[in-house]
Amino acid sequence: QSALTQPPSASGSPGQSVTISCTGTSSDVGNYNYVSWYQQHPGKAPKLIIYEVTKRPSGVPDRFSASKSGNTASLTVSGLQAEDEADYYCCSYAGSNNFVFGTGTKVTVL
Amino acid sequence: EVQLVESGGGLVQPGGSLRLSCAASGFTFTNYYMDWVRQAPGKGLEWVGRVKHKAHSYDADYAASVKGRFTISRDDSQNSMFLQMNSLKTEDTAMYYCARDAATSLDYWGQGALVTVSS
Repeated sequence: QSALTQPPSASGSPGQSVTISCTGTSSDVGNYNYVSWYQQHPGKAPKLIIYEVTKRPSGVPDRFSASKSGNTASLTVSGLQAEDEADYYCCSYAGSNNFVFGTGTKVTVL
Repeated sequence: EVQLVESGGGLVQPGGSLRLSCAASGFTFTNYYMDWVRQAPGKGLEWVGRVKHKAHSYDADYAASVKGRFTISRDDSQNSMFLQMNSLKTEDTAMYYCARDAATSLDYWGQGALVTVSS
């Protein structure tokens, strides 16, 4: 199972928006509505910020939103804040009781 | 408060074995699948595998990269999950995280246990 493809980096100024793509195949992202997104600050454990493509867990700001079209999922961070600077990973169910993560995107707040 | 605490990490030689533990608290452990995810130094996340709960016969699923070498188990009486790692390779060097499996996502994570495979 190959990792989902994400851009290595993305950036934006405070208050701006940044969108991260996550491209898979018809066997994972395109076939299931089980895409999740995780935020990871340096030296910390990942944190769930989006599940089931578009849903936000309690406590996650509504600045974080997500969508999916075909084999590509996307995460948008609106109104960028300094604390949003982190690595972001997508993840999808890939069938046969397997999951696959994305390659990760480093978001920099300029 | 949900807490997951990994232990058992350390330095091991190639070909050796190591057993990680994950102690859970703050939720009904028996209701959840539990997963292991690893992250090599400076690299991305990699799903390792998961163990299902009693209703699904404690079945375990594995990534192709570890199948046949790693075994995931759990002890519901201790609210704990385990990762037995055999025939370790240098490429298994990573931080190993345990995570609660909410069926469609991993909603709580531990702080990780570092495993270094080196001679």
